[in-house]
Amino acid sequence: GAVVSQHPSWVICKSGTSVKIECRSLDFQATTMFWYRQFPKKSLMLMATSNEGSKATYEQGVEKDKFLINHASLTLSTLTVTSAHPEDSSFYICSALEVLADNEQFFGPGTRLTVL
Amino acid sequence: KNQVEQSPQSLIILEGKNCTLQCNYTVSPFSNLRWYKQDTGRGPVSLTIMTFSENTKSNGRYTATLDADTKQSSLHITASQLSDSASYICVVSSRSGYALNFGKGTSLLVTP
Repeated sequence: GAVVSQHPSWVICKSGTSVKIECRSLDFQATTMFWYRQFPKKSLMLMATSNEGSKATYEQGVEKDKFLINHASLTLSTLTVTSAHPEDSSFYICSALEVLADNEQFFGPGTRLTVL
Repeated sequence: KNQVEQSPQSLIILEGKNCTLQCNYTVSPFSNLRWYKQDTGRGPVSLTIMTFSENTKSNGRYTATLDADTKQSSLHITASQLSDSASYICVVSSRSGYALNFGKGTSLLVTP
């Protein structure tokens, strides 16, 4: 099946710093990727849809200036958490849409962000 | 409003036993239903996918059923193993757009 990777798998940063998370589709091209956030024992919550070559579409309540998304190539989308605060600590998961697999979303392994 | 409800919220079973997880949904128009396994600290991994016309689908010890009329699905795990301990998430897709509708998951713990 299609493989999606994320880097880093975990990161600890100080409050006020910015953190970049990468999402890569390893064996397929994805014009559309998605970023999710997951709190402990909760379901995945869609944050934004990342479109290659165009602006991301953010879900209601998600600050686009806080969570910067760049989808510069068909295999890479990045999420930058700017001026991170402790409440941004969470598990961030990306997925990539594989058109050739009936538009199935393949999920990355997730990135654990802890802001001190 | 599109909703996906899962039950039970959590489950503890002995190794080797079978169990069945439930999923009810109100997503419309329906496209497909997937069951995912999510290990702690990992991303979801697809177990099965079913479309409207499919009633059952198996993947090893996992068997999913779908009743599109009653909008219910189940995931049956046979001869459970310790490695089955995880969260099992029911995800329903609509034919309108790429958005996925997630259930809150069932947390399964398999004990020796």
